[in-house]
Amino acid sequence: GAVVSQHPSWVICKSGTSVKIECRSLDFQATTMFWYRQFPKQSLMLMATSNEGSKATYEQGVEKDKFLINHASLTLSTLTVTSAHPEDSSFYICSARDNRAGQVINQPQHFGDGTRLSIL
Amino acid sequence: GQQLNQSPQSMFIQEGEDVSMNCTSSSIFNTWLWYKQDPGEGPVLLIALYKAGELTSNGRLTAQFGITRKDSFLNISASIPSDVGIYFCAGPGNTGKLIFGQGTTLQVKP
Repeated sequence: GAVVSQHPSWVICKSGTSVKIECRSLDFQATTMFWYRQFPKQSLMLMATSNEGSKATYEQGVEKDKFLINHASLTLSTLTVTSAHPEDSSFYICSARDNRAGQVINQPQHFGDGTRLSIL
Repeated sequence: GQQLNQSPQSMFIQEGEDVSMNCTSSSIFNTWLWYKQDPGEGPVLLIALYKAGELTSNGRLTAQFGITRKDSFLNISASIPSDVGIYFCAGPGNTGKLIFGQGTTLQVKP
């Protein structure tokens, strides 16, 4: 089955620190990965679409200079929260689109286990 | 924009009972996905539906893609404590990005 690994699973750091989160597709190649943010008791909110070899596409209201995304290979995307502040504390989840399923419309997204970010 | 309306918002049931939840939209979706999210973890894909009218099972779970392509339901038979979690319906929107319902929180009393 498709497996997506996200690391770290939990981060606590001081305000002003930059934090990098990694998302890896372990048994398939993912041209496209996605980064979501989830607040307690809410659904997932798409932050940005990460495309291998090109710039990420950010959703409206998401600061690209704040949330840096790099997708340097077909199995790895990283999200860096720069100069994090308490309001950036949240649950960040990545997903990868499984290219093996043929047409894009039939390619399900598989999610990592999320990263709980707490900024003090 | 496109939205998925999921109901009920939460359910509290007795172990062994059957559960039904659904997802509706005012616009057509060509794919319906059902995910389960355990506390502190990412969503896990349960069932994917690709054709209108399609009925698919995965163990005790059954999901159907509505004929109108504007709705889908998920049934869980003979619930057990490990069924606890948040269930999300999702579908690719016009831009290809995944749109999520608000989620149904399921609690099972042993």
